[in-house]
Amino acid sequence: AQKITQTQPGMFVQEKEAVTLDCTYDTSDPSYGLFWYKQPSSGEMIFLIYQGSYDQQNATEGRYSLNFQKARKSANLVISASQLGDSAMYFCAMREGLVNNAGNMLTFGGGTRLMVKP
Amino acid sequence: NAGVMQNPRHLVRRRGQEARLRCSPMKGHSHVYWYRQLPEEGLKFMVYLQKENIIDESGMPKERFSAEFPKEGPSILRIQQVVRGDSAAYFCASSPPLGQGRLWEAFFGQGTRLTVV
Repeated sequence: AQKITQTQPGMFVQEKEAVTLDCTYDTSDPSYGLFWYKQPSSGEMIFLIYQGSYDQQNATEGRYSLNFQKARKSANLVISASQLGDSAMYFCAMREGLVNNAGNMLTFGGGTRLMVKP
Repeated sequence: NAGVMQNPRHLVRRRGQEARLRCSPMKGHSHVYWYRQLPEEGLKFMVYLQKENIIDESGMPKERFSAEFPKEGPSILRIQQVVRGDSAAYFCASSPPLGQGRLWEAFFGQGTRLTVV
């Protein structure tokens, strides 16, 4: 089974509107972290936001927020007030085993390509 | 404070040649991770190293690929006798020693794009 699933290969959004990128995950580990990264056409991986499995509140970072629904095992990224510069690939990732601190390896989803229309 | 530095940014090799990719972690970071990104896919974990130790190489192909992180100098990912299927972007990430910094921190370099012709 896929550990991280991103079901939207591509998404369009109108500039200045909000958009939600879906991510579901699969783990039996009680302690894990969820990440979102942005990869523009230049290729670098830009960290956006992090949510720990024990965090009580949903993470927010500026225009990015993470809609964390633990029971559903989903960690959707919400981008508010989209900008043209938001056009990029977006990857959801998970790190398991936070308690035993066994390293920081990440498992990535297949990504969603977001295109912001002017 | 320089970020994770990878070089070269682009590397072209002919089939059968060797490719050496270098990664210098952020200052103070002692853990290095290598990932491979095939075209139109997400990143896949390859290997996790600490200084002079390979901790987890569960994602490394069994043949032709090796990695090291010596006491001095950058981490090296080495691919011998490259084939067209090795063409990909290779990313390195580094994180602080366990127990330091934020538990989940991992910072990525800009990647090396390997093209095998």
